[in-house]
Amino acid sequence: DAGITQSPRHKVTETGTPVTLRCHQTENHRYMYWYRQDPGHGLRLIHYSYGVKDTDKGEVSDGYSVSRSKTEDFLLTLESATSSQTSVYFCAISLDRANTEAFFGQGTRLTVV
Amino acid sequence: GQSLEQPSEVTAVEGAIVQINCTYQTSGFYGLSWYQQHDGGAPTFLSYNALDGLEETGRFSSFLSRSDSYGYLLLQELQMKDSASYFCAVRVESGYALNFGKGTSLLVTP
Repeated sequence: DAGITQSPRHKVTETGTPVTLRCHQTENHRYMYWYRQDPGHGLRLIHYSYGVKDTDKGEVSDGYSVSRSKTEDFLLTLESATSSQTSVYFCAISLDRANTEAFFGQGTRLTVV
Repeated sequence: GQSLEQPSEVTAVEGAIVQINCTYQTSGFYGLSWYQQHDGGAPTFLSYNALDGLEETGRFSSFLSRSDSYGYLLLQELQMKDSASYFCAVRVESGYALNFGKGTSLLVTP
């Protein structure tokens, strides 16, 4: 298995609270991604990073922010969680831009009540 | 923008062959990937095509036609364990994003 760990694996939080999800890799891969997965929508890209402090928005970035201060860690923050952000969140990493293969973490199931 | 289209559901019989299609519209194109995801699990990489033609990996093959903006995943000798969701994904030349289709749920029946 690729060395990629997401934490927490499950979380229940209240509407309006801040939440941070962590993705940690031991592979020294340059590219890291955050996706959310919802029934009927597949995997939707939230934010991605192409290096330390280099990040960009994906198609569903509203309400989310990210930070990458070290190669191995990519944090996803929900500044003020809403029920619409209840989802399964996946982190992925890839070695190069050609991205012949991306490795996924096991996911974080987030419920906002 | 870009879009990827794939069928939402496919059903096939154990031992048969099934083809899952993917059409894409992008402003640039780098390559087409395929991923498998079992219920409750993480997506896992199956194959990648950057050039036109067929790539074969065991029972799975993937095809790409850049001129038609079309690709497919071919699964042969279907097994029950192949029941899963299958996603196509594209990377565009102009950036670093990896974007996925909505996925095709494959059900293999006895």
